Amino acid sequence: DQQVKQNSPSLSVQEGRISILNCDYTNSMFDYFLWYKKYPAEGPTFLISISSIKDKNEDGRFTVFLNKSAKHLSLHIVPSQPGDSAVYFCAASPMNRDDKIIFGKGTRLHILP
Amino acid sequence: DTGVSQNPRHKITKRGQNVTFRCDPISEHNRLYWYRQTLGQGPEFLTYFQNEAQLEKSRLLSDRFSAERPKGSFSTLEIQRTEQGDSAMYLCASSLAGQSGRAFFGQGTRLTVV
Repeated sequence: DQQVKQNSPSLSVQEGRISILNCDYTNSMFDYFLWYKKYPAEGPTFLISISSIKDKNEDGRFTVFLNKSAKHLSLHIVPSQPGDSAVYFCAASPMNRDDKIIFGKGTRLHILP
Repeated sequence: DTGVSQNPRHKITKRGQNVTFRCDPISEHNRLYWYRQTLGQGPEFLTYFQNEAQLEKSRLLSDRFSAERPKGSFSTLEIQRTEQGDSAMYLCASSLAGQSGRAFFGQGTRLTVV
């Protein structure tokens, strides 16, 4: 039973354009959401997060949007760069359980030259 | 500090053998996590420690799996009587309590059971 769903296994985007990665969740108790990035042969690295009290968080080229009513979040990368090619994991944490992170299956992003 | 370190990076073992992995977290981090990742999946939680106390274990962690963090520093994950289904990447992560979302992951140990 996937509580965090990333329905696109892969995505290809032209360099310089916007990359939009989507994530849906089913557990209404989730109140903290994160995106992790993973290169081959490395562990995931934290990218950006958002609390359920916000609907947008921005950090440089990366913006995460949260739509609580739709149980949906998205990661926007603009402009996309070759170094952004990686697997992106959406993750969520339940209320009062910051020790418990549930990951999605990931979306592989390819940035095309 | 070089981050979270895991050893070995790769392990090939025969079915039925025991294996042990080690994780050295970031020194000031009091929380340490073990995750398992199989092909096409995200990391799945196995267990975590706060200091030396093991506070939660997933139902994925069968009786053949045991984890320790004896002095609240490094941790070991042992798998007894390995099975082919144990083949996976085993990831360790560490964080400060209250910042678990911002966990720092090691490079993982890839286990292949033949």
